[in-house]
Amino acid sequence: KQEVTQIPAALSVPEGENLVLNCSFTDSAIYNLQWFRQDPGKGLTSLLLIQSSQREQTSGRLNASLDKSSGRSTLYIAASQPGDSATYLCAVSGRGSTLGRLYFGRGTQLTVWP
Amino acid sequence: GAGVSQSPSNKVTEKGKDVELRCDPISGHTALYWYRQSLGQGLEFLIYFQGNSAPDKSGLPSDRFSAERTGGSVSTLTIQRTQQEDSAVYLCASSLGGLPTYEQYFGPGTRLTVT
Repeated sequence: KQEVTQIPAALSVPEGENLVLNCSFTDSAIYNLQWFRQDPGKGLTSLLLIQSSQREQTSGRLNASLDKSSGRSTLYIAASQPGDSATYLCAVSGRGSTLGRLYFGRGTQLTVWP
Repeated sequence: GAGVSQSPSNKVTEKGKDVELRCDPISGHTALYWYRQSLGQGLEFLIYFQGNSAPDKSGLPSDRFSAERTGGSVSTLTIQRTQQEDSAVYLCASSLGGLPTYEQYFGPGTRLTVT
């Protein structure tokens, strides 16, 4: 069964810092990997989706990389802002009989203080 | 356009009662998913509908859980004889197609509390 791990579980940084969130997965046979943001009491917002054939995706201050063979992804946030405070979730999609479902990590809770 | 909507946003029920949770996907999305997020746990997959195909129910934790999708749109997740361990946030997502190349868009969730 696919297991997704996110490190660190929590991170607290001052505004303006560049930071890296890590995600690892045990089964490299994934279709794609997605990074989400979850705000308290709200649903998930998709940030970036990387297909298995891609190495990275960028959106504004966010950059996500994927190394499928080693089962790792990183989310890089540049020049962090207090509005970036949220829980960041990594999810990989299954293949074959598990096609369609996402396997989630437990998330990294990020706090950016002014 | 309108996103995925879920109702109710909060539900408190007594142990042993049945509950129904509703999900309205984004118009035109053929795939619909249910996930559960328990306190201290990650999100876990429950069930997946794609078009007219038989749903993938392999994530449902027990036979007290069932779901249906009527007319390829609205979905209802039913939990019979609720137990305290069913307390969680239930999230629904939809995507344009069944292939994982399509992003899943999530609703705000229904917070279920079983007392």
